[in-house]
Amino acid sequence: AQRVTQPEKLLSVFKGAPVELKCNYSYSGSPELFWYVQYSRQRLQLLLRHISRESIKGFTADLNKGETSFHLKKPFAQEEDSAMYYCALAGTASKLTFGTGTRLQVTL
Amino acid sequence: DAGVTQSPTHLIKTRGQQVTLRCSPKSGHDTVSWYQQALGQGPQFIFQYYEEEERQRGNFPDRFSGHQFPNYSSELNVNALLLGDSALYLCASSLKVASGNTIYFGEGSWLTVV
Repeated sequence: AQRVTQPEKLLSVFKGAPVELKCNYSYSGSPELFWYVQYSRQRLQLLLRHISRESIKGFTADLNKGETSFHLKKPFAQEEDSAMYYCALAGTASKLTFGTGTRLQVTL
Repeated sequence: DAGVTQSPTHLIKTRGQQVTLRCSPKSGHDTVSWYQQALGQGPQFIFQYYEEEERQRGNFPDRFSGHQFPNYSSELNVNALLLGDSALYLCASSLKVASGNTIYFGEGSWLTVV
């Protein structure tokens, strides 16, 4: 069975502070991991995926197979980063298993 | 490109009724998946359609059924509605490729069962 765990429902940080959103997964094969973001009143959209190893809007995430983690990080939080973040795993083609999400709140 | 479009955006139904939700995939996409997102939860996979057939199914009862049309659009049907079916229903589209494929989501249909 595949499972994604996001332990924090809410993460509140000050503007300019570092951000780390935690994600752990359980999967017996070789997973594809994603971070999706949902801004207020907008649709769910892909933020980044582990296979591309890119930085989007200053966010990065590294797949750690030993710790089965895919934490999302950003060195300096911005107000516009406030949103709901979902970690997701694709075990079989195009089927995503999501975590319960973490709401990131960036305050002044 | 309008992306993934869903209709209706909001609807209210009574327990025991039936509902049909509709989805048009992003242009060029041939695979449609449906997800249920209850309040405070992440989306949960219901099923996936490709070439007009259900290819994968999540842990949902047979009351949930679907269809894909030759133009790749899709419908989600839920029979004998329960209060617990109240949720945001998301449609996602993609191209049938095993990996490296981006999945796009619609804005969803909010279903309230009273």
